[in-house]
Amino acid sequence: GDSVTQMEGPVTLSEEAFLTINCTYTATGYPSLFWYVQYPGEGLQLLLKATKADDKGSNKGFEATYRKETTSFHLEKGSVQVSDSAVYFCALSRIGSWGKLQFGAGTQVVVTP
Amino acid sequence: GAGVSQSPRYKVTKRGQDVALRCDPISGHVSLYWYRQALGQGPEFLTYFNYEAQQDKSGLPNDRFSAERPEGSISTLTIQRTEQRDSAMYRCASSLGGSGETQYFGPGTRLLVL
Repeated sequence: GDSVTQMEGPVTLSEEAFLTINCTYTATGYPSLFWYVQYPGEGLQLLLKATKADDKGSNKGFEATYRKETTSFHLEKGSVQVSDSAVYFCALSRIGSWGKLQFGAGTQVVVTP
Repeated sequence: GAGVSQSPRYKVTKRGQDVALRCDPISGHVSLYWYRQALGQGPEFLTYFNYEAQQDKSGLPNDRFSAERPEGSISTLTIQRTEQRDSAMYRCASSLGGSGETQYFGPGTRLLVL
């Protein structure tokens, strides 16, 4: 079945550091890929998405590229801020599955001043 | 505009009791999803509605779980004869359509079964 694997957290880094969160997936066909973010005390929000191979999603300085050959969708940000502290979830949605999302376990990111 | 709302936000119940969790989607959103999230894990799909039709209930763990959306708007997830293993965060999301549309999540209902 479909699955999403992302790196375990917590990831702790200093402000202005470079952030990478690895995400790989297993799915039949060509799924759409997503990154959702959950800030402390809030619900899940869509951060970015990509719907086909080689697409790059970007938002709020975050980027992720849909790599079909490596079945990956790694999240990156060049210079993190304390306000980026959150839990990040990688997810996929397969065509024909009504849009239901398959999530990874989440990666907690802690950014210190 | 208003986002997805869920009630109650917190529910503590005793084992064996029935609970009903409510989701009020964004107005005009056709699709509605229920997910369950255990502590330290990502959300897991439970069921999906397109208008009032329950199109997919493959994620419901057993027949104690049911959901309805009778008028194509508000949805209720009901858990009968609750067990301690049902304790989790229950999340609702809605979208304009199905595949490819952004899902907007509510704040969730934290259920604790004692």
